[in-house]
Amino acid sequence: AQSVAQPEDQVNVAEGNPLTVKCTYSVSGNPYLFWYVQYPNRGLQFLLKYITGDNLVKGSYGFEAEFNKSQTSFHLKKPSALVSDSALYFCAVRDRGQGSARQLTFGSGTQLTVLP
Amino acid sequence: DVKVTQSSRYLVKRTGEKVFLECVQDMDHENMFWYRQDPGLGLRLIYFSYDVKMKEKGDIPEGYSVSREKKERFSLILESASTNQTSMYLCASNKPDGTGELFFGEGSRLTVL
Repeated sequence: AQSVAQPEDQVNVAEGNPLTVKCTYSVSGNPYLFWYVQYPNRGLQFLLKYITGDNLVKGSYGFEAEFNKSQTSFHLKKPSALVSDSALYFCAVRDRGQGSARQLTFGSGTQLTVLP
Repeated sequence: DVKVTQSSRYLVKRTGEKVFLECVQDMDHENMFWYRQDPGLGLRLIYFSYDVKMKEKGDIPEGYSVSREKKERFSLILESASTNQTSMYLCASNKPDGTGELFFGEGSRLTVL
């Protein structure tokens, strides 16, 4: 079975400060890992993914995430937060051993608020 | 630009009504999914389909059915809507031979009175 934990329901950060949104995962094999963002009353938009290779993954809008196999984590980061980054962020995992038809498992989401 | 289109963004229905939520994708994806999103619960899979006329139950299929008559279209059906089905419904699609990355529609917010 695969699972994802986002331990923080809410993260507040001042504009211009670095931000981190935490994610830990559990899979029986090796993971594919994803971050999605959702703005109010919209669908989910893809930010970035880890497939293989470099543990630091760069994505859209200046976001990046670091895959840490020993800690089973995939935290989302940005060096300097913008007010427009305020949104709901979801981490997701898929075990590589599973066919993609059995889909991703999502975390419960973290609401990021960037304060001006 | 590739798209997943959900026909209704906002719906208000009454208890007991039959509800259809439609989803169309233009990416020639074999897999299509219906999720339900509720605060604090993340996304929960209702049903998915890996081919025309093929479907499998997800984690919370009770009270829902689906239809996939054409590759590009996947419908979610609430046979008799109940107030506990008030939620945001998200359609998504992907290819079976990829990493599993999902492409989402804009969502359909359903309120059942």
